[in-house]
Amino acid sequence: AIQMTQSPSSLSASVGDRVTITCRASQDIRNDLGWYQQNPGKAPKLLIYATSRLQSGVPSRFSGSGSGTEFTLTISSLQPEDFAAYYCLQDHNYPLTFGGGTKVG
Amino acid sequence: EVQLVESGGGLVQPGGSLRLSCAVSGFTVSGSYMNWVRQAPGKGLEWLSVIYRGGSIYYADSVKGRFAISGDNSKNTLYLQMSSLRAEDTAVYYCARRNYYGSGTYGIDVWGQGTTVTVSS
Repeated sequence: AIQMTQSPSSLSASVGDRVTITCRASQDIRNDLGWYQQNPGKAPKLLIYATSRLQSGVPSRFSGSGSGTEFTLTISSLQPEDFAAYYCLQDHNYPLTFGGGTKVG
Repeated sequence: EVQLVESGGGLVQPGGSLRLSCAVSGFTVSGSYMNWVRQAPGKGLEWLSVIYRGGSIYYADSVKGRFAISGDNSKNTLYLQMSSLRAEDTAVYYCARRNYYGSGTYGIDVWGQGTTVTVSS
């Protein structure tokens, strides 16, 4: 199975900060990567699919980049509602695998 | 309205069995990539299984041989039959749709609210 290593596991940020989260795949997954946001007690929410494509309704302050084995989620200006956990997910092949998560607090 | 509603969670003893259901509305199970994902208390997300095209199925190694995914087209419902349950299977279980956006791109765009399974004596 493809291993996804996400960093950092947690970070401290303030409203207005630029935040960057990284995911590294154990093998080439082309651009088959998504990013998900999860608030406590809630289901995950799709933010970005195929590395850089913004899901409908997601604010443009979220962006994704990368290819192959290195991927990045960037929040350009952190908003109060963005304090949450974030996960990457490779959907290049089965079994799908998530990164370990990043808690933004 | 596109919606997923899970049910069937509860307390079960180690070694026991449980069947989770996911009622689908707004689209069809048969025409979709339907998944189960879980989250143990205080832990991250873990993908478990997918069923699509009526019969293509994959599992995570952690549940292979113990869990079985299936769909009932007449009821438009997804199931997860869980057996030989262990304490480490304690988690919130989500059903979710993996959507195809075209050009080989996918995203898990619809999630249920989750159902809690506790494995304990």
